[in-house]
Amino acid sequence: TQLLEQSPQFLSIQEGENLTVYCNSSSVFSSLQWYRQEPGEGPVLLVTVVTGGEVKKLKRLTFQFGDARKDSSLHITAAQPGDTGLYLCAGAKGGSEKLVFGKGMKLTVNP
Amino acid sequence: NAGVTQTPKFQVLKTGQSMTLQCAQDMNHEYMSWYRQDPGMGLRLIHYSVGAGITDQGEVPNGYNVSRSTTEDFPLRLLSAAPSQTSVYFCASSYSAGERAGELFFGEGSRLTVL
Repeated sequence: TQLLEQSPQFLSIQEGENLTVYCNSSSVFSSLQWYRQEPGEGPVLLVTVVTGGEVKKLKRLTFQFGDARKDSSLHITAAQPGDTGLYLCAGAKGGSEKLVFGKGMKLTVNP
Repeated sequence: NAGVTQTPKFQVLKTGQSMTLQCAQDMNHEYMSWYRQDPGMGLRLIHYSVGAGITDQGEVPNGYNVSRSTTEDFPLRLLSAAPSQTSVYFCASSYSAGERAGELFFGEGSRLTVL
């Protein structure tokens, strides 16, 4: 059973379009992180959200943590080819450093 | 800064052979972990350590051993390689306390093929 479900799993869009990636769970997390992974490399942390309802912005990326701390979303505005990659969400439960990862959303942004 | 360094980057083994994947970090992180990444399965935790001398099992520990004799190093040993262990392996580390606790820094990965 996958603890964190990401949707969609694949997305291919044109440069300039907007998109939203969802990360859902039936479990409560003390924090949730988003990573981006490019082919042949390890994941790189984008953001950590810890408070229910929290919204964080990183340039054209907007991250939101659900009020109940069971879900999160990543919205990308005006996607660019450089945004292409695998986006992973990962959750931590209270008091534990162990992270559980979703399967990821593979994004392709075409010029 | 080197960050998290994994070696080797590529390895081909025959079924039954043993080998060790090396991982070293220079950030003085207390927490270190090993994940495997397979198509359609995401990242799955194999073993982790919260400090020197302390290790514990993750989600998929069978067929792997770890040890943590120093803060910097966390090697992963495959005891008798099987084709099901063909995967990309990632080592990751983080602080255990403070503002950045739990934020993982990953190595570049070790791609293992077992024939």
